Amino acid sequence: KAGVTQTPRYLIKTRGQQVTLSCSPISGHRSVSWYQQTPGQGLQFLFEYFSETQRNKGNFPGRFSGRQFSNSRSEMNVSTLELGDSALYLCASSRTGVTNEQFFGPGTRLTVL
Amino acid sequence: AQRVTQPEKLLSVFKGAPVELKCNYSYSGSPELFWYVQYSRQRLQLLLRHISRESIKGFTADLNKGETSFHLKKPFAQEEDSAMYYCALRGGGSQGNLIFGKGTKLSVKP
Repeated sequence: KAGVTQTPRYLIKTRGQQVTLSCSPISGHRSVSWYQQTPGQGLQFLFEYFSETQRNKGNFPGRFSGRQFSNSRSEMNVSTLELGDSALYLCASSRTGVTNEQFFGPGTRLTVL
Repeated sequence: AQRVTQPEKLLSVFKGAPVELKCNYSYSGSPELFWYVQYSRQRLQLLLRHISRESIKGFTADLNKGETSFHLKKPFAQEEDSAMYYCALRGGGSQGNLIFGKGTKLSVKP
């Protein structure tokens, strides 16, 4: 079956702009989690959605938000971009959550200039 | 505070040598721990989890609650084991929150 897909794969934005990233989970998976990966901080949990509801949230400012649609596809939005938001954004899907195996997408590489 | 520490950024061994990737955690409850691996140009993928008590690709990991450790071991390293390894802890609250260590890059030399 098809794996987790993320679009776009690469993105360049300037400070102050906003960006929306998309994640399509594996068919039948209802949980989508988002992570930010940077060289300095490593992989950090952003939030998790399950059945269109945010179920858990990491320690990120309110500029980072997300949502999940009825088909389990998820989007995350970052407003008022800062240079420090440059990172690889990964999403992962699982049937019900992290106690089920999480399958990761290839990531979206965001560069903020 | 919930935290995962992988003290080694890079671990280099020769083929056939034993390998141990260290992971220590800090968590107040009953932990659920995982090892993820990322091979070159591939996606992050689950290697094993402590609740399964399984051996994957010759790797095993034992949860030691007394030492708060979950070290990953393999008796005979292979070149194809070269990859980035991440230890992860399921965070508190609801499911879906993984707390990752910074990762250890394993390099297996011929």
